[in-house]
Amino acid sequence: ILNVEQSPQSLHVQEGDSTNFTCSFPSSNFYALHWYRWETAKSPEALFVMTLNGDEKKKGRISATLNTKEGYSYLYIKGSQPEDSATYLCAFSQAAGNKLTFGGGTRVLVKP
Amino acid sequence: EPEVTQTPSHQVTQMGQEVILRCVPISNHLYFYWYRQILGQKVEFLVSFYNNEISEKSEIFDDQFSVERPDGSNFTLKIRSTKLEDSAMYFCASSRDHGNYGYTFGSGTRLTVV
Repeated sequence: ILNVEQSPQSLHVQEGDSTNFTCSFPSSNFYALHWYRWETAKSPEALFVMTLNGDEKKKGRISATLNTKEGYSYLYIKGSQPEDSATYLCAFSQAAGNKLTFGGGTRVLVKP
Repeated sequence: EPEVTQTPSHQVTQMGQEVILRCVPISNHLYFYWYRQILGQKVEFLVSFYNNEISEKSEIFDDQFSVERPDGSNFTLKIRSTKLEDSAMYFCASSRDHGNYGYTFGSGTRLTVV
């Protein structure tokens, strides 16, 4: 059974502060690590798909790193804004087109 | 921006009844998926579908479940005889390739079995 864990489960951040959180996944048979941003009552939105060890990807104020050898990825939010409040999900796959195994999510609440 | 559309957004059904959850994937996508999230649990994979057949399914996806792409645009999930434990948010997703650019998810159907 594949286990993908995210920590912390939830996080309160003051507007303007930066924050980061973790996704850990099995380091064997790795194909890709996905990050999704999910606001309540909306669709999960793809942020990044990362495949290479050492990958770093950036989208605006959000960035992610990947370490496939040790099985973890960090997501960073720089200068958090209230609109960054959402649940951030990571998901792991072992082959192209293969199922995604999701972590439990990190719920981020940015306080004005 | 193209969207994956799911209907209905919320469905309440009696235990033992059949339900069909509907999805319209993005038109040029080739790979289709159903996932679900039971309240308080992780999002879990149910089934993937490509070239008009199931390409992978989880142990959850037993004989009670079936998927169909009846007309080239809709993608449906049927649960034949619903159980209380089928209550969950069901998400449809599609991708144009093997998910190398991520999957596009719908906003979900909340299924409540009473």
